[in-house]
Amino acid sequence: QQQVKQSPQSLIVQKGGISIINCAYENTAFDYFPWYQQFPGKGPALLIAIRPDVSEKKEGRFTISFNKSAKQFSLHIMDSQPGDSATYFCAASSGGSYIPTFGRGTSLIVHP
Amino acid sequence: KAGVTQTPRYLIKTRGQQVTLSCSPISGHRSVSWYQQTPGQGLQFLFEYFSETQRNKGNFPGRFSGRQFSNSRSEMNVSTLELGDSALYLCASSLWNSGDTQYFGPGTRLTVL
Repeated sequence: QQQVKQSPQSLIVQKGGISIINCAYENTAFDYFPWYQQFPGKGPALLIAIRPDVSEKKEGRFTISFNKSAKQFSLHIMDSQPGDSATYFCAASSGGSYIPTFGRGTSLIVHP
Repeated sequence: KAGVTQTPRYLIKTRGQQVTLSCSPISGHRSVSWYQQTPGQGLQFLFEYFSETQRNKGNFPGRFSGRQFSNSRSEMNVSTLELGDSALYLCASSLWNSGDTQYFGPGTRLTVL
């Protein structure tokens, strides 16, 4: 059972555009929602994370929007750059289980 | 601070063999988690160790095992390798538990022939 559904599977954006990746979860006990960025040959690296007590968090060009009632959260990459080309994973975890559940990943390509 | 390190980075084995992978967490981190990453299944949680004890376990067969040492370094072992075990094995460390911010190593690429 996939508890975190991520879309789209792949995304192609022009330089300067906005990249949007969406995730939906089922378990209402989840209370921590990180996003990871993974480059080929590297392990995932934490990009930005949010807890459900806020609806939005922004760090530089990266913004997480969180909709608790819809059980959805999304990553927005503003002014996308070719260096942002990577695979992005959303994840969710709860303080009770400590086991994070990952989305399937989104392969982002930013064309120059 | 040094990041999470994993050895070896690449490994080629044949079916039926066993393999041991090693992970050194970030200094001060006591929780170490292991993941299997494949194109078909994505990132799947294997197990988590804290203070030398397995605290959580994912849905993998008993051929997959691990341990943690007193210095928080961890090893995972896969016995009787199958072709389907070919994957990138990632180790992640965090301060207290896998629900905290996790920092991943570069992974070990295992190929089973």
